[in-house]
Amino acid sequence: GENVEQHPSTLSVQEGDSAVIKCTYSDSASNYFPWYKQELGKGPQLIIDIRSNVGEKKDQRIAVTLNKTAKHFSLHITETQPEDSAVYFCAASLTNTGNQFYFGTGTSLTVIP
Amino acid sequence: ETGVTQSPTHLIKTRGQQVTLRCSSQSGHNTVSWYQQALGQGPQFIFQYYREEENGRGNFPPRFSGLQFPNYSSELNVNALELDDSALYLCASSSSNTDTQYFGPGTRLTVL
Repeated sequence: GENVEQHPSTLSVQEGDSAVIKCTYSDSASNYFPWYKQELGKGPQLIIDIRSNVGEKKDQRIAVTLNKTAKHFSLHITETQPEDSAVYFCAASLTNTGNQFYFGTGTSLTVIP
Repeated sequence: ETGVTQSPTHLIKTRGQQVTLRCSSQSGHNTVSWYQQALGQGPQFIFQYYREEENGRGNFPPRFSGLQFPNYSSELNVNALELDDSALYLCASSSSNTDTQYFGPGTRLTVL
């Protein structure tokens, strides 16, 4: 089955700086890669996603890049704000097999005011 | 606003008991997936239901079972509870023509 690794496990940045979280996956057939933000006591919230036919996607301060050859994808948050502090999860799935998501172990991001 | 709701919010059970968790999917979604999230870990896929049929299962024993109803709401049942079953149980709904899954707030299960 798919194996998703996520780094770093914790990340602290100053407000206004950028944050980068990286994930690798093992199954070259995976074709959908969502990123979720989870705040304390809440369920994961989708923040951005990318499909395997796209190399980069951007939504305001958030961007995701995908390198299919290296089986690597990254989340980039620019101009970080204290409200960006949360745990972020990457996931990979093969959408034509029931769309089971394989999650990374999470990155706890702290934005220091 | 995802529209996925779960009940109860918290639950405490003792080892060997049985538990039922409930999920109402977002309007228009016909697929429900259940995940187990242990403390400090990412969610682990339990199973998925599509149009009332199981449509994929993760590496969980048969004492984890589920149902989906005609209105696409769903239940997760766990028999013979073990201490390691203590976790946040998440439900996610999606529609058959999109890949995106929207999560509910979860049910925190504690097994003593």
